[in-house]
Amino acid sequence: ILNVEQSPQSLHVQEGDSTNFTCSFPSSNFYALHWYRWETAKSPEALFVMTLNGDEKKKGRISATLNTKEGYSYLYIKGSQPEDSATYLCASPRGSARQLTFGSGTQLTVLP
Amino acid sequence: ETGVTQTPRHLVMGMTNKKSLKCEQHLGHNAMYWYKQSAKKPLELMFVYNFKEQTENNSVPSRFSPECPNSSHLFLHLHTLQPEDSALYLCASSQMTGSGRRSGELFFGEGSRLTVL
Repeated sequence: ILNVEQSPQSLHVQEGDSTNFTCSFPSSNFYALHWYRWETAKSPEALFVMTLNGDEKKKGRISATLNTKEGYSYLYIKGSQPEDSATYLCASPRGSARQLTFGSGTQLTVLP
Repeated sequence: ETGVTQTPRHLVMGMTNKKSLKCEQHLGHNAMYWYKQSAKKPLELMFVYNFKEQTENNSVPSRFSPECPNSSHLFLHLHTLQPEDSALYLCASSQMTGSGRRSGELFFGEGSRLTVL
């Protein structure tokens, strides 16, 4: 993997369902992995910044795991609610300047 | 005051116009960024200012000219743009540590939606 990639591109779930999506990133020269939530007409908002292999972070019904050796992170949402509808972005610092490189995002729609 | 404020929120300009986007952060951060969000593309980093010094310029055309007069303000000056420059331009700030090599989470503004006719 050369870039930061996210899957799926979009996802529709019913209210109350649990869901998860994936962020893949180059495992070499790993520094950190960021997750952001971007609601329509608002600014992207940081959810987690993860740095350690095996790290697991939680904020309410949202949690994330990190595997730096194989280069992936999962974001989980338990009991999805309509207000969880947003685009979820992951990003990782890349290159000698450690610029935050973003994936294309996963657009989540939670249907009532 | 919100953390990162961008003005204007919407801008329509002709290809011969000169305009500027403004960003202000009230978080005491030492790094500021311009990102571009085009349709169906990931966020693209354009410029980074670290302690008011430009540290990154990601091969951005010279028709985009950044200015950082102090650590709280960032401008993006626009001139002779092309229709393909129409996009959402996001400003962000963060706190850099480790001699400016490690960034904490980014705090974004709500963006300036630019349309070039």
